[in-house]
Amino acid sequence: ETGVTQSPTHLIKTRGQQVTLRCSSQSGHNTVSWYQQALGQGPQFIFQYYREEENGRGNFPPRFSGLQFPNYSSELNVNALELDDSALYLCASSLAITDEQYFGPGTRLTVT
Amino acid sequence: GDSVTQMEGPVTLSEEAFLTINCTYTATGYPSLFWYVQYPGEGLQLLLKATKADDKGSNKGFEATYRKETTSFHLEKGSVQVSDSAVYFCALSDHKYSSASKIIFGSGTRLSIRP
Repeated sequence: ETGVTQSPTHLIKTRGQQVTLRCSSQSGHNTVSWYQQALGQGPQFIFQYYREEENGRGNFPPRFSGLQFPNYSSELNVNALELDDSALYLCASSLAITDEQYFGPGTRLTVT
Repeated sequence: GDSVTQMEGPVTLSEEAFLTINCTYTATGYPSLFWYVQYPGEGLQLLLKATKADDKGSNKGFEATYRKETTSFHLEKGSVQVSDSAVYFCALSDHKYSSASKIIFGSGTRLSIRP
């Protein structure tokens, strides 16, 4: 069984640019959640997608947006990048009926 | 809103020492509680969980008991190993709004074990 995978592993962008991060959920999981983990802090919930619809959002501005595809893979898009967006972005997949989330290895985004 | 407060690190212990990492939570409902571990350069791994009061989660020698009366979920291990060196996150799951849940994390405790 394949676990949660994320791409790319690392990314460097310039302030003001846009970025897309990708996540493939674990087989059979129809829910994907995204988290931002700043250096030295715990992950913060960005949003969650369930069967291609946004199903809950944390305290992040609209320039953070997402998609979920029919195969339940997902994208996180961030527009107008700011220096404070530098972080590890974690994707987690789960079955909708349980709260056990399985995390991917993350994408390290650096904004300069 | 719901929140998790955990013991600040870093914590440095000698191998075979007893470990306690304190965690308390604030929640209006009846959350599930978790401990996650993050090894250097890796993502998060679920270490253990408890879904209701007085439940004890355990895994790899680690234990934590869901104490509703003290709103706590302290992580313990009787004899730590060098391989336990990692960052540990206490977390709770918010069930309020949907069948799928978001996880609220503490700030993490870095644990280093000396040989």
